[in-house]
Amino acid sequence: DTAVSQTPKYLVTQMGNDKSIKCEQNLGHDTMYWYKQDSKKFLKIMFSYNNKELIINETVPNRFSPKSPDKAHLNLHINSLELGDSAVYFCASSQQGRTEAFFGQGTRLTVV
Amino acid sequence: QQQVKQSPQSLIVQKGGISIINCAYENTAFDYFPWYQQFPGKGPALLIAIRPDVSEKKEGRFTISFNKSAKQFSLHIMDSQPGDSATYFCAASRVIKAAGNKLTFGGGTRVLVKP
Repeated sequence: DTAVSQTPKYLVTQMGNDKSIKCEQNLGHDTMYWYKQDSKKFLKIMFSYNNKELIINETVPNRFSPKSPDKAHLNLHINSLELGDSAVYFCASSQQGRTEAFFGQGTRLTVV
Repeated sequence: QQQVKQSPQSLIVQKGGISIINCAYENTAFDYFPWYQQFPGKGPALLIAIRPDVSEKKEGRFTISFNKSAKQFSLHIMDSQPGDSATYFCAASRVIKAAGNKLTFGGGTRVLVKP
């Protein structure tokens, strides 16, 4: 299936741990994003990469570090996890010059 | 500062009725206005979108109305069905070729269609 896929779907971890979320898209897109959806379902962009280059970096704590090894992959590494990091993280992709953005199924991160 | 404001937060409609969700934006540089549908446990899925040079766009039972002077746009779901029960998000962006499509979302509207 052509899609944006994220792993894992659920992640439960203790405060202070470091964790990573992986994202892959096989849509041939050149731009990928991370969005955060909080407990009130509010969606906000965190990062955007175009052709492996960081192009959008919203005011996100530097404990969050995205990495894009190639156009099809965008990973999110989070250091020293805090309770407030609990949220659903969505990866998305789009093609430069086109408007449609496609979202993955999300990773529900719970920090205890 | 919330750049896209969405109302209502929740909506209950009878099967066959019309669901109307409204959004207002502040940034006049926005040039793309999509609506996303999200089911529980799933990611947002693009439903329909409009550009500011058009006042209305219809796709099946879904219609976007756009009022550029008022900086408002709305989603109408005609003949609402129980399967339409989901959370709907409006969004806005300024599509910059080299910078992708940074979506600014409204707060979401939870729609429940009663059979």
